[in-house]
Formats: sequence, C-alpha cells, structure tokens
Amino acid sequence: AQRVTQPEKLLSVFKGAPVELKCNYSYSGSPELFWYVQYSRQRLQLLLRHISRESIKGFTADLNKGETSFHLKKPFAQEEDSAMYYCALNYGGSQGNLIFGKGTKLSVKP
Amino acid sequence: DAGVTQSPTHLIKTRGQQVTLRCSPKSGHDTVSWYQQALGQGPQFIFQYYEEEERQRGNFPDRFSGHQFPNYSSELNVNALLLGDSALYLCASSLWDRVTYGYTFGSGTRLTVV
Repeated sequence: AQRVTQPEKLLSVFKGAPVELKCNYSYSGSPELFWYVQYSRQRLQLLLRHISRESIKGFTADLNKGETSFHLKKPFAQEEDSAMYYCALNYGGSQGNLIFGKGTKLSVKP
Repeated sequence: DAGVTQSPTHLIKTRGQQVTLRCSPKSGHDTVSWYQQALGQGPQFIFQYYEEEERQRGNFPDRFSGHQFPNYSSELNVNALLLGDSALYLCASSLWDRVTYGYTFGSGTRLTVV
C-alpha cells in the first residue's frame, strides 16, 4: 500500500545552518511527490513538486527511487522558514489524490 | 482572487448530529477534494468531486457524503457525528487532469464534536 513517512516530528536548527527534512515513500507505481508548507496562521500551500525540478525559496528536493526518498533541503536556513512541512504522494495519476505524511515542524532559531 | 473559501471557520456539534461544510473553489478550478486533518496528523483524503459527481473516495464511511454544484462549489456532509470526527476539514481545488500542478487549499473548518 502507498505510504508517506516523515520520521521527524520536530526539527530545530540555527539560522544559517543547513536543513534537511526527510521523507520516505512506499508506492508500487511511478511516484509523483510534493512538498507542502504551512506557515503560522496561514493555509497549506504548495512549496515544490519533483516533476518541475524547481527551487523555491532556496529549497530543493531530489527524488531518489532507489532509496524511495524525497528529502527537502536548504543550505542556509532562515527564521522565516519556520513552519510545518508536509511531504505528499500523488497516487491516482492525473486525476489522483494525495497521501500526506504526518508533517515535520521546522523551527529556525536566531 | 479570494482563492478557496470555506465556511464556517469553526463549528461545535453534539455527538449524533449532522453537519454540512461548504467550499468555494479558486476561480477557474473545476475539481474539489476534501481532506480531514486530525490533530498532529497530515491531511487524509475523503473524496473528490468533478462534474457534480464523486470521482474518487478515500477510506471513509458512508456517513461522509458530498455534493458539487454547477458553479463548482461543494458541500461535505457528515451524519451521526462521532467524537472522532473532530478535526480540521480542508477543501482543496484544482483543475481536472492537472492534479500534478498542485492543489489550492482553503483555510479549513475546525469541527469539534462534544
């Protein structure tokens, strides 16, 4: 069955330090993966999707099919990066829907 | 553009009652999906509506039902409420056939069942 695992509930780093938010997935098909972010008192919003191979707000994520991972990385964390981050897997094709991980709360300290 | 609008923002209901939540999708979007987010959990897919029909459904009982109107807005109905139905209910809109472009989420309706 399809599954998304985010092993860390909370990740705390200092400003300027590198950040890696882990995401592992289980899916028998060709995965489509996303990272969503929720800043304090804001709605859930798309951060990036693996098929576009883009970098948003300095974040990147590479799909590693061998390790079934889609870790989110940023070389230098900023205080405004503090938020809840969710990894999600699209399991239904072009009309599909998402399975979300439980989320990781990132706290960037000054 | 107001994005996805959900109402009400908060709701308190008694066990056994019925509740209706509403969602207006982002302008130009024709597909509405509903998610339940329990405390400390990620959103969990309930169902998806397109062309006024339920197209996909997650692992939720029949107490959860929905509707989509010709203007693409949608309702989520939950009957015989249980304490465990207490959660944040999120509506997400998208274009049919373009889920991979990503959803636009509403702010959610916080349902508390007492």
